[in-house]
Amino acid sequence: EAAVTQSPRNKVTVTGGNVTLSCRQTNSHNYMYWYRQDTGHGLRLIHYSYGAGNLQIGDVPDGYKATRTTQEDFFLLLELASPSQTSLYFCASSERGGSYEQYFGPGTRLTVL
Amino acid sequence: QQKVQQSPESLSVPEGGMASLNCTSSDHNFQYFWWYRQHSGEGPKALMSIFSDGDKKEGRFTAHLNKASLHVSLHIRDSQPSDSALYFCAARVSGSFNKLTFGAGTRLAVCP
Repeated sequence: EAAVTQSPRNKVTVTGGNVTLSCRQTNSHNYMYWYRQDTGHGLRLIHYSYGAGNLQIGDVPDGYKATRTTQEDFFLLLELASPSQTSLYFCASSERGGSYEQYFGPGTRLTVL
Repeated sequence: QQKVQQSPESLSVPEGGMASLNCTSSDHNFQYFWWYRQHSGEGPKALMSIFSDGDKKEGRFTAHLNKASLHVSLHIRDSQPSDSALYFCAARVSGSFNKLTFGAGTRLAVCP
């Protein structure tokens, strides 16, 4: 089964702070995604990528940057964190073809005070 | 208004009972649908996909799709306490880069 890991698992920062969330997948999937999960909204797509160096804008990108450094690694950056970015963040990956099933990591809970 | 809407928000069924979850879309560009399940403290995991009109059965789980009305349902037969979880419906536009739009979820509780 596809393996997606995320770090850190929990993070607390203050308003205006810088945060980097990391994601690694070990299944050579082309596609990687960052989502945020909030009660009443489900999962919302922030940014996604179909390969190293590629970045696509998702549905809720404001306040977030992302970078895909390798096939395996995808980072989410919050340069001036705000309390509205307090959320549960998930990374996912999927193959280029086939069923396009997305495999999710365990999540990072971010609190911005 | 969310493009993918799920109902009910929460559902409680007795062990061994039938659970029925619903999903509707307001966008006729959505052609492919998924059900994902998330247990507490974990990431979502794909349960099943349905791309054609009609029923698709996998074990105790049956999905139904009506593309004309953009309605998808998930029925869980013989519900078990381990089925207690948050269930998401997700939709994809044909030809898109696997970009999924998720609903807000239905929380299912199966009571022993």
